[in-house]
Amino acid sequence: AQSVTQLGSHVSVSEGALVLLRCNYSSSVPPYLFWYVQYPNQGLQLLLKYTTGATLVKGINGFEAEFKKSETSFHLTKPSAHMSDAAEYFCAVSDRQNNNDMRFGAGTRLTVKP
Amino acid sequence: EPEVTQTPSHQVTQMGQEVILRCVPISNHLYFYWYRQILGQKVEFLVSFYNNEISEKSEIFDDQFSVERPDGSNFTLKIRSTKLEDSAMYFCASSEAGRGRGGYTFGSGTRLTVV
Repeated sequence: AQSVTQLGSHVSVSEGALVLLRCNYSSSVPPYLFWYVQYPNQGLQLLLKYTTGATLVKGINGFEAEFKKSETSFHLTKPSAHMSDAAEYFCAVSDRQNNNDMRFGAGTRLTVKP
Repeated sequence: EPEVTQTPSHQVTQMGQEVILRCVPISNHLYFYWYRQILGQKVEFLVSFYNNEISEKSEIFDDQFSVERPDGSNFTLKIRSTKLEDSAMYFCASSEAGRGRGGYTFGSGTRLTVV
């Protein structure tokens, strides 16, 4: 079954600095990959997804992620952090061939310092 | 933008009581899901539902849990006899395509507190 590992349960950056949240997946077949964001006391909002085609995926709020098959990674980046980016970020994977539903990583809490 | 609506936003119940969490998925979506998130922990898959039947369930989804689509719009999660460890945020989601292809749209969640 597919799974994801998010390296770093907590990442802290300064406002304006690069954001890098790491995600590695395990899947026997090419997966669908997702990043979700959860603001305090709110639900999960889709940031971006990779299903097929271009491996560099752009999402909302200036985030992007690159699917690297050779590294089994799907790291999330943003060139310049904003205070409003402080939230919990979840990487998720789904197996495109087997009827297995989406599985989430443990999450990474992003803190943005002024 | 279409939304998944969950009610109530917060429910407190006594241990041993039955609770029903309600969800209204996006109208043209065909696949429905329940996830839960215990405070401070990861989001865990509970169950998926398609064509009026469960398509997959996790080991968490034992006999105490059931799901139903009683009419054309609602999708409910029932916990028959709640335990303290059922306290969590429960998220409903729906998708147009299965296998996570299009990504899921999540509701804002129901925070269940069992006392």
